[in-house]
Amino acid sequence: AQTVTQSQPEMSVQEAETVTLSCTYDTSENNYYLFWYKQPPSRQMILVIRQEAYKQQNATENRFSVNFQKAAKSFSLKISDSQLGDTAMYFCAFKANAGGTSYGKLTFGQGTILTVHP
Amino acid sequence: ETGVTQSPTHLIKTRGQQVTLRCSSQSGHNTVSWYQQALGQGPQFIFQYYREEENGRGNFPPRFSGLQFPNYSSELNVNALELDDSALYLCASSLSGGDQPQHFGDGTRLSIL
Repeated sequence: AQTVTQSQPEMSVQEAETVTLSCTYDTSENNYYLFWYKQPPSRQMILVIRQEAYKQQNATENRFSVNFQKAAKSFSLKISDSQLGDTAMYFCAFKANAGGTSYGKLTFGQGTILTVHP
Repeated sequence: ETGVTQSPTHLIKTRGQQVTLRCSSQSGHNTVSWYQQALGQGPQFIFQYYREEENGRGNFPPRFSGLQFPNYSSELNVNALELDDSALYLCASSLSGGDQPQHFGDGTRLSIL
């Protein structure tokens, strides 16, 4: 079974600054995917960024980037130039690669509430 | 492209009742997953449907059941409701394949009195 741990229940940052959210996971799988999802008060879970475990290069999506350390089973999210609209709950999630099948359970961490202050 | 839609938005039930939640998958997506999210927690996987068959289940009792229809829309049914079933229920759709990301709906808030 996989577990995902987010050790920061809450974080805050000033607008335009940079913040890093932490995530660690435990798995015996060698081939898997990691995700960061954002859930604003509107409730919809929005995909922010994803990383394939077999890729050494860290994923980047505009202001969002990850630091993926496979040996340490660490997957942190860096948000640069923070904006007020980044205020949300952020979840780290794990999915084992099911290969050709469609089974793909997401295992989520407990979440980190990020508040961006003006 | 139409995203994932869920209905109803909010529902209030009493203990012992039964409830059906509905989900329309994003256009072209053939796989639907259901999650339960308690207040302040991360979502917990309930089960997944692919081509109308259950294709994986989390640690939930049999009173949680589901269906997927030929148009890939899905229902989550919960019988004998308990107070602990109060939660946000999220539906996510995706294409088949392990590398396909799941796209979520806005959820149904279920409150049990």
